[in-house]
Amino acid sequence: SQKIEQNSEALNIQEGKTATLTCNYTNYSPAYLQWYRQDPGRGPVFLLLIRENEKEKRKERLKVTFDTTLKQSLFHITASQPADSATYLCALDMGSGGYQKVTFGIGTKLQVIP
Amino acid sequence: DVKVTQSSRYLVKRTGEKVFLECVQDMDHENMFWYRQDPGLGLRLIYFSYDVKMKEKGDIPEGYSVSREKKERFSLILESASTNQTSMYLCASVTGITDTQYFGPGTRLTVL
Repeated sequence: SQKIEQNSEALNIQEGKTATLTCNYTNYSPAYLQWYRQDPGRGPVFLLLIRENEKEKRKERLKVTFDTTLKQSLFHITASQPADSATYLCALDMGSGGYQKVTFGIGTKLQVIP
Repeated sequence: DVKVTQSSRYLVKRTGEKVFLECVQDMDHENMFWYRQDPGLGLRLIYFSYDVKMKEKGDIPEGYSVSREKKERFSLILESASTNQTSMYLCASVTGITDTQYFGPGTRLTVL
């Protein structure tokens, strides 16, 4: 079955720097991969989706890459701000063909230090 | 904007009680999901529904049941609450095209 690995350790970076979070998967390459943001005590919020035939996707200060050879997606936040502090989850399709299509990684906690 | 609401933000129940968690979405989505989230375990799928009165078991359905009588409403039922069901419960409404999940605010359930 598909497994997702995200940095289990928290990531601390200085304000203004670029934060890079990693999502690795095993087995088959998903048709698409999603990134979500989750604040403490809240539900995840969708940020970006990237398809298998896309190398890169951008939205404001966010950038996602998708490398099917490495079986990896990288999530970048440029010019990071303390307000970017949150847990970031990647999610990808199960490929089962059924309705249960998406599975989530455990998330990486990002702390942006002023 | 998609809006997903859950009936309670915080809930405290006693062991053995029957617990109802309700989720309502306003985007006419066909697919709705119930997850629980625990530290170190991430999101785990309990049940999902792809249509009214249709339901499918997820990864951890034991001790739970669901009801979908109307398209916009998906309820999670704990038949007899136990302490190991203390958790954050999250409902999601899903678009059919990209499977983007729109989550509710969550219900923090404590079973004493």
